[in-house]
Amino acid sequence: DAKTTQPTSMDCAEGRAANLPCNHSTISGNEYVYWYRQIHSQGPQYIIHGLKNNETNEMASLIITEDRKSSTLILPHATLRDTAVYYCIVRVGAGGTSYGKLTFGQGTILTVHP
Amino acid sequence: DTEVTQTPKHLVMGMTNKKSLKCEQHMGHRAMYWYKQKAKKPPELMFVYSYEKLSINESVPSRFSPECPNSSLLNLHLHALQPEDSALYLCASSQDPGLMNTEAFFGQGTRLTVV
Repeated sequence: DAKTTQPTSMDCAEGRAANLPCNHSTISGNEYVYWYRQIHSQGPQYIIHGLKNNETNEMASLIITEDRKSSTLILPHATLRDTAVYYCIVRVGAGGTSYGKLTFGQGTILTVHP
Repeated sequence: DTEVTQTPKHLVMGMTNKKSLKCEQHMGHRAMYWYKQKAKKPPELMFVYSYEKLSINESVPSRFSPECPNSSLLNLHLHALQPEDSALYLCASSQDPGLMNTEAFFGQGTRLTVV
């Protein structure tokens, strides 16, 4: 799987949009970008994933650049409950030596403050 | 039901004890996973079961022994652990063992302390 780079930490004011960047400059054409988050002392929670197109669901939006070398997770109206570690993971679509593996990097600690 | 249930939530065991962690899902998922997470670190993959067969062992010491009795259950048997094995143990499941265009569901974890 391609390596990802995320900022160590970010702050966001409650009610504002949180924009979390992820760099994956070595991504291949069949690799998906996944985002998970982990609230303190809980299991990771899936947020969203995409291949080429931008994606939106009830939790967040995922913006992938045209060259696919970076992406941004957007939480449109951050709340205090969104304070968590956010992991950007790049996964191969099929086959390969990383088949069946979901490998977490260091992630970004997002702190939402009042 | 979109839950992965892990028991117990907390476990304290001595270095000579034998204990088991349990994980259950009723989503019909074909793959189940064990992860280990130390404090302030990301989760690290330990084992993957695909269609009830062990498909990935990330060079985990033999004092950790996984078992998949059926498609809904996953156990992790613990024996002769060391204090450095204290961690949060997470179970996960997914519909597609290849994790292709699909998400993994995680349990809340078992907080293990080895004394």
